Amino acid sequence: NAGVMQNPRHLVRRRGQEARLRCSPMKGHSHVYWYRQLPEEGLKFMVYLQKENIIDESGMPKERFSAEFPKEGPSILRIQQVVRGDSAAYFCASSPPGTGGNTGELFFGEGSRLTVL
Amino acid sequence: DQQVKQNSPSLSVQEGRISILNCDYTNSMFDYFLWYKKYPAEGPTFLISISSIKDKNEDGRFTVFLNKSAKHLSLHIVPSQPGDSAVYFCAAKGSSNTGKLIFGQGTTLQVKP
Repeated sequence: NAGVMQNPRHLVRRRGQEARLRCSPMKGHSHVYWYRQLPEEGLKFMVYLQKENIIDESGMPKERFSAEFPKEGPSILRIQQVVRGDSAAYFCASSPPGTGGNTGELFFGEGSRLTVL
Repeated sequence: DQQVKQNSPSLSVQEGRISILNCDYTNSMFDYFLWYKKYPAEGPTFLISISSIKDKNEDGRFTVFLNKSAKHLSLHIVPSQPGDSAVYFCAAKGSSNTGKLIFGQGTTLQVKP
């Protein structure tokens, strides 16, 4: 009964390096969402993807951040030239077609915690 | 601009008593409201939701109440159990059908045995 799988669970990068976070949705789920949680804050929406399509990226910072969900393989959240302010927990969620968009019920992974030194 | 607010960072209750967690919102266009529960080092898990056309939804020990005129919702847990100790996030969904949720800051609930 595999849930949403995220890796790595913990990632340490130095300023200026690249961070790649991966997310495999639950079986049968074709919709993927990325959220970010800064310390002492709630989760903030970043992007919503379906296979090979970015549906809503209104929460993505304009520079250095990108996301993809290829036809094969996991969804990738990529952060280029990381800065200290990127240190956060990044959560991926998935939903079957219709559910997440209609009711907001999402299935979250355990998160990837990025620390930028 | 905080559209969803949880003004109480923490709440402590005795086992067996009622826990009431509160949430306020500003956008009257939200069509669903949800509560998620989160344990340390884990992802949030869906707990209960309510459509904006209803004022109450109940699931076992958990009941969510929605007061649209006050733009306020609350989660009642009765009876509270030590295993309920976690961070509870209120979230709201707009009508865009993109799965974009607006989360509150969270309330840490501690249920004492």
